Amino acid sequence: EPEVTQTPSHQVTQMGQEVILRCVPISNHLYFYWYRQILGQKVEFLVSFYNNEISEKSEIFDDQFSVERPDGSNFTLKIRSTKLEDSAMYFCASTRQGNSYEQYFGPGTRLTVT
Amino acid sequence: GENVEQHPSTLSVQEGDSAVIKCTYSDSASNYFPWYKQELGKRPQLIIDIRSNVGEKKDQRIAVTLNKTAKHFSLHITETQPEDSAVYFCAASPPYSSASKIIFGSGTRLSIRP
Repeated sequence: EPEVTQTPSHQVTQMGQEVILRCVPISNHLYFYWYRQILGQKVEFLVSFYNNEISEKSEIFDDQFSVERPDGSNFTLKIRSTKLEDSAMYFCASTRQGNSYEQYFGPGTRLTVT
Repeated sequence: GENVEQHPSTLSVQEGDSAVIKCTYSDSASNYFPWYKQELGKRPQLIIDIRSNVGEKKDQRIAVTLNKTAKHFSLHITETQPEDSAVYFCAASPPYSSASKIIFGSGTRLSIRP
């Protein structure tokens, strides 16, 4: 069964550095998402992406964040200047249809900002 | 925006007994309600979902009910087994964009006592 994949599994970075988290959604999916989960807390929506543009974003997704689909398979999340509070698990998800259908989650990237 | 409340935050039941988790949502436009199971350090995995045109759905030992008027929905797990121990998240999806986001509840840590 196809799965969403994410790299790296763990990223350690210093405050102020830029990081890029990478995701490969399921190949026939058209809708892509990033969520984050601070340790021990709930999963929070960051951004959704469809047809090469942002569909919706949350208050968390400020100017320090950006997303890109640089080619036909990858979907990336960039954090321009990391802060301590960006430390979290970041999950990518994808779905075949945009409304009322299962979102398939990747295994996550644990980001640690020191 | 949509807000999902989930109770209880922790639940301990004897193996073989039933477990019930309850959630409420705030946005009456939400039309999709997935339930995710998350084991420690793993991705959220969909266990069951329900759409707003349905009041109840069952899949083996798991059932979900939806009351649109009261804006609440519940997860019922019968004949609980040790492998049911995990954190369970309810969620709601409001259909305001082409790529509908999922808003998660705060989670219920379910422990099954042998």
